[in-house]
Amino acid sequence: GESVGLHLPTLSVQEGDNSIINCAYSNSASDYFIWYKQESGKGPQFIIDIRSNMDKRQGQRVTVLLNKTVKHLSLQIAATQPGDSAVYFCAENILGNTPLVFGKGTRLSVIA
Amino acid sequence: GAVVSQHPSWVICKSGTSVKIECRSLDFQATTMFWYRQFPKQSLMLMATSNEGSKATYEQGVEKDKFLINHASLTLSTLTVTSAHPEDSSFYICSVPSLGETQYFGPGTRLLVL
Repeated sequence: GESVGLHLPTLSVQEGDNSIINCAYSNSASDYFIWYKQESGKGPQFIIDIRSNMDKRQGQRVTVLLNKTVKHLSLQIAATQPGDSAVYFCAENILGNTPLVFGKGTRLSVIA
Repeated sequence: GAVVSQHPSWVICKSGTSVKIECRSLDFQATTMFWYRQFPKQSLMLMATSNEGSKATYEQGVEKDKFLINHASLTLSTLTVTSAHPEDSSFYICSVPSLGETQYFGPGTRLLVL
């Protein structure tokens, strides 16, 4: 089932610093993971994904790390910018047309 | 990735009325779409899976007679909130799975029931 967070954890970082957002996923059978960014009043925006046969994947300024042993996922944002301020969600599923299960979310606040 | 639109982007209605929300996949034919609901400061909760040409699959605790889903074509799914009440006020978001992998989300519909 879905996880629901009543109080979003917040990460505050200085502009230009690197950010690391962590997520613990629930289903050991999940084989596909996605990070989404959600700005206030908008739908989630795809950032980066990773399959379970990988442990690291890099995009533009973002890196996702997957540790299946401890069911942990992280998103690293390099040189964080004010425009990165948003809520970040990890999501998991089993490949195919299956619904995503979302993590609780982390609010990233960038201090200029 | 898939481009997904929703209409309306926000709606205010009186308690007891029905509201229809549309989700369109603009560049991808989708046999499946998903509907989520999000309350303030919370994560997204799956409500139902919309299947083209067949009945929707609802998550436990979601009333199928209250949240009517119709997936009439490969590009359109609608969610109708019937006899809306203030507790139905929420942010409703649909998603489209692209090639069975990454899911792309619509911009969401903010519903406020007075």
